[in-house]
Amino acid sequence: ETGVTQSPTHLIKTRGQQVTLRCSSQSGHNTVSWYQQALGQGPQFIFQYYREEENGRGNFPPRFSGLQFPNYSSELNVNALELDDSALYLCASSFPTGALTDTQYFGPGTRLTVL
Amino acid sequence: RKEVEQDPGPFNVPEGATVAFNCTYSNSASQSFFWYRQDCRKEPKLLMSVYSSGNEDGRFTAQLNRASQYISLLIRDSKLSDSATYLCVVNQAGTALIFGKGTTLSVSS
Repeated sequence: ETGVTQSPTHLIKTRGQQVTLRCSSQSGHNTVSWYQQALGQGPQFIFQYYREEENGRGNFPPRFSGLQFPNYSSELNVNALELDDSALYLCASSFPTGALTDTQYFGPGTRLTVL
Repeated sequence: RKEVEQDPGPFNVPEGATVAFNCTYSNSASQSFFWYRQDCRKEPKLLMSVYSSGNEDGRFTAQLNRASQYISLLIRDSKLSDSATYLCVVNQAGTALIFGKGTTLSVSS
């Protein structure tokens, strides 16, 4: 296993509500990235945090926000939930060195259902 | 045009077959390339990195052609346990991984 953990495993919310998802990165990793995976699609990049600062953002609206803490764990917050936000939310941790082999290691994900 | 495009699936093959997946990417500035494997309702797991010189890991061989912006994965002697979705992944600027939609492989006995 990758050592990346996420909570909760599953979550059911209703439209308009807010949700917070949590991720603990692999020991020694200082970078956390969040992805959204809709059914039948590949994961889509939401944003990345490096040393507590946002370090890149995909094509997601501002109601998707995040935090990274001094221990490199991270939260993803989604406000004003919409039905289309139903997806598997994946957290990935990494330790970028600039090498071509740098990659990211994924946690088990949080499955969010919006009713 | 999507940034990473993969062969449409699913691929249904018998045990022992050789199967090849292809992938193209649109951004010539892409720096690194990977194949990930994803089992049903699980997280993606790194299968292998892909280098211009080609690389092999047991029954798996990956190739990269930068001029054609083309990536391939060959699986020899398919096993039942190879059944999964294979995701072609490109890293452009060291931050975001850009995923293809995935190709589903089903190996049957």
